[in-house]
Amino acid sequence: GAVVSQHPSRVICKSGTSVKIECRSLDFQATTMFWYRQFPKQSLMLMATSNEGSKATYEQGVEKDKFLINHASLTLSTLTVTSAHPEDSSFYICSASAGTGRAFFGQGTRLTVV
Amino acid sequence: AQSVTQLGSHVSVSEGALVLLRCNYSSSVPPYLFWYVQYPNQGLQLLLKYTTGATLVKGINGFEAEFKKSETSFHLTKPSAHMSDAAEYFCAVRHSYGGSQGNLIFGKGTKLSVKP
Repeated sequence: GAVVSQHPSRVICKSGTSVKIECRSLDFQATTMFWYRQFPKQSLMLMATSNEGSKATYEQGVEKDKFLINHASLTLSTLTVTSAHPEDSSFYICSASAGTGRAFFGQGTRLTVV
Repeated sequence: AQSVTQLGSHVSVSEGALVLLRCNYSSSVPPYLFWYVQYPNQGLQLLLKYTTGATLVKGINGFEAEFKKSETSFHLTKPSAHMSDAAEYFCAVRHSYGGSQGNLIFGKGTKLSVKP
């Protein structure tokens, strides 16, 4: 089956620094990638949808300048949390789709901002 | 280690027929369980979730799921399939350790097709 690799699985960073999370489709071309964030009582929230070669579409309430998403190739999308603060600590997960309708999830990244 | 198994990557039913999507989990602590639906080229939508309390959980679009601890299962059902139910469905598990929150772990998904 299709494999999506998300890296790193865990990261601890200092407040004010930036963190980059990578999401790679290893054996298929991902035309669309989704980025989610896990909130305590709301389970999973869609942050943005990115299509290769175009700007990401952000959901309402998600700060574009804080959560930078780049989908420069058909196998890689990155999420950069800029000027991270403790409230950004969360579990971030990506999923990738080849356009067939099926989506495959990365393993997720646990971000802790101290 | 926690894991989620969805039996059947593809399920096909006729319109009006019962929908049954299977999900089994492994867990050493009481889990929180979720079902999500994803339509083509859209993000996940939460169908329903079980945290505590009543083991039969009702969700949106007529779906429901029952948490069976003895069987470590959380199967998703709907009495009568509709064409608009055709989508991919994901089961997920999360654990709560005291006050902290574990990561969501997803099954591989089941694609539901509905025949007219």
